Amino acid sequence: NAGVTQTPKFQVLKTGQSMTLQCAQDMNHEYMSWYRQDPGMGLRLIHYSVGAGITDQGEVPNGYNVSRSTTEDFPLRLLSAAPSQTSVYFCASSYFRGKGTYEQYFGPGTRLTVT
Amino acid sequence: AQSVTQPDIHITVSEGASLELRCNYSYGATPYLFWYVQSPGQGLQLLLKYFSGDTLVQGIKGFEAEFKRSQSSFNLRKPSVHWSDAAEYFCAVGDATGRRALTFGSGTRLQVQP
Repeated sequence: NAGVTQTPKFQVLKTGQSMTLQCAQDMNHEYMSWYRQDPGMGLRLIHYSVGAGITDQGEVPNGYNVSRSTTEDFPLRLLSAAPSQTSVYFCASSYFRGKGTYEQYFGPGTRLTVT
Repeated sequence: AQSVTQPDIHITVSEGASLELRCNYSYGATPYLFWYVQSPGQGLQLLLKYFSGDTLVQGIKGFEAEFKRSQSSFNLRKPSVHWSDAAEYFCAVGDATGRRALTFGSGTRLQVQP
């Protein structure tokens, strides 16, 4: 049971390039989400998914695309990288058990620099 | 919209001293509350969570937190801090269905002096 995995760990892009950050989980969780972490701002939600084929925007979705074709995978696409997208990106997944209990499991993060 | 405020950006305590990190939330219904810890260059680890019931919750590494509805607070405490507790701490609020993921505070960086 690997939990939530993210690749790559580090990435440097030039302005205008595109790339995909990969996220996978092996816990059969329904919910997956992407956050970005910037100094002094905590984690901010980019996009989330409540199941395969269903995605929605979070707090800071501009410049990012997502899709969820399987339960396990939730890739994040940067369409045309900008320096403002320099950040650490975390993927998370969660279950929802009856009685309202749940817990978010986080991946190790991807540190992205856009020059 | 839900929100979380962590009023202290940076706290320094001496090893062995007690610790309290403040967290205030805004949410229209009964909140689901979490504390996470992040060591430098690492991901987030869940310390504890509150959903209902006893307002004093125990977590890992000797941490506890108390939910106070009247004050909209969920402060994190530890009676005796260890040097290894130096890290950044995040409070977060989630909704009842979990469908909207979590809203995080901006974090409190804890420094521990020998």
